[in-house]
Amino acid sequence: QKEVEQNSGPLSVPEGAIASLNCTYSDRGSQSFFWYRQYSGKSPELIMFIYSNGDKEDGRFTAQLNKASQYVSLLIRDSQPSDSATYLCAVNIEPTGTASKLTFGTGTRLQVTL
Amino acid sequence: DAGVIQSPRHEVTEMGQEVTLRCKPISGHDYLFWYRQTMMRGLELLIYFNNNVPIDDSGMPEDRFSAKMPNASFSTLKIQPSEPRDSAVYFCASSLAGAVGNEQFFGPGTRLTVL
Repeated sequence: QKEVEQNSGPLSVPEGAIASLNCTYSDRGSQSFFWYRQYSGKSPELIMFIYSNGDKEDGRFTAQLNKASQYVSLLIRDSQPSDSATYLCAVNIEPTGTASKLTFGTGTRLQVTL
Repeated sequence: DAGVIQSPRHEVTEMGQEVTLRCKPISGHDYLFWYRQTMMRGLELLIYFNNNVPIDDSGMPEDRFSAKMPNASFSTLKIQPSEPRDSAVYFCASSLAGAVGNEQFFGPGTRLTVL
């Protein structure tokens, strides 16, 4: 079993719709969770992080965490063609405030169609 | 800030040759990470340093790979001898301990092709 699992996609959503990206992780000791966006041929960039169960909103993005189910998701509202990219879920077993290694999923490719 | 700088951006070499990838982290950052990304395996952590000291090299695939960080502003990843299966994009990232979100800032990557 992979440590961090994501559906590779592609996930295709029409412009203006909500895109829902999902991620499961195997280590119950995981403390912090990250979503990175990677455009084709570019490097990953951080979109959001979440530490506590529940929802965290930042503009059009909402991260959701359920530690009991070992599940983290990213919702993108009012999807735009510029959101088309690969979204990487990453997990850190260290407590918040400690920079340590991240374990990445293989990513979900999102396509926003006109 | 210029961000994380990596060189070269592209490297094409022949099997058996030595390859050296270079990274300059963001000034003031105390963590440096080397990753490898392939279609099959995704983004894998190879090794990371804290204050120039290697902390975890469990991701280094084999003895052909080595990494050094002689000072806070420079790190190298060396492959000797290189093999075709080493072809991948290699990313360097840096972060600051205690920063909100522990954000890792990635460099542009080095695309390595071993023929």
